[in-house]
Amino acid sequence: AQSVTQPDIHITVSEGASLELRCNYSYGATPYLFWYVQSPGQGLQLLLKYFSGDTLVQGIKGFEAEFKRSQSSFNLRKPSVHWSDAAEYFCAVAPMDSSYKLIFGSGTRLLVRP
Amino acid sequence: EAGVAQSPRYKIIEKRQSVAFWCNPISGHATLYWYQQILGQGPKLLIQFQNNGVVDDSQLPKDRFSAERLKGVDSTLKIQPAKLEDSAVYLCASSFPQGGWNTGELFFGEGSRLTVL
Repeated sequence: AQSVTQPDIHITVSEGASLELRCNYSYGATPYLFWYVQSPGQGLQLLLKYFSGDTLVQGIKGFEAEFKRSQSSFNLRKPSVHWSDAAEYFCAVAPMDSSYKLIFGSGTRLLVRP
Repeated sequence: EAGVAQSPRYKIIEKRQSVAFWCNPISGHATLYWYQQILGQGPKLLIQFQNNGVVDDSQLPKDRFSAERLKGVDSTLKIQPAKLEDSAVYLCASSFPQGGWNTGELFFGEGSRLTVL
């Protein structure tokens, strides 16, 4: 069955520390991969996406993600977290067909300590 | 450019009552999605429209949920009768895939929060 797993429900980091949020997927073939962020009371915003090519993808707000085919993973990273990064982060996948369907993981809530 | 508009932002109803949510996508976007986001979970796709046709409604509880997009622009999601477990945020999103996902980003509205008592 197709699925997206975000194993960490909550993560707490200190401001200025590095961050890595995990995402694993289970699909018949490599899907398109996305990370979205949801701030309190706001809609989801796209951080970055991977379709093909370079496996290290740069996004907005200083985020990057690395696609590892052998591990079926697409982990999100940031070298130095800011207090404004506190939010919920969702990994999502879309099959490489014409359905344009986006399937989300359960999310990881990021808390930032001052 | 105006974003995806949703209304109402908040709605509180008693169980067995009905409720309707409205979504106006970004102008020119052919694909419209309704997602249900229960507290502590990721968004779950309820229904996907391409213009005014349904692409996927496999996870829509059709005994109580209905959705339409009559003119291929705005859309309405209705729940009748509501159950306690329908308490969630209902997110609308739109996109305009130009031959593929290369530019097919989904743009989300702020959501409509439903509380069923």
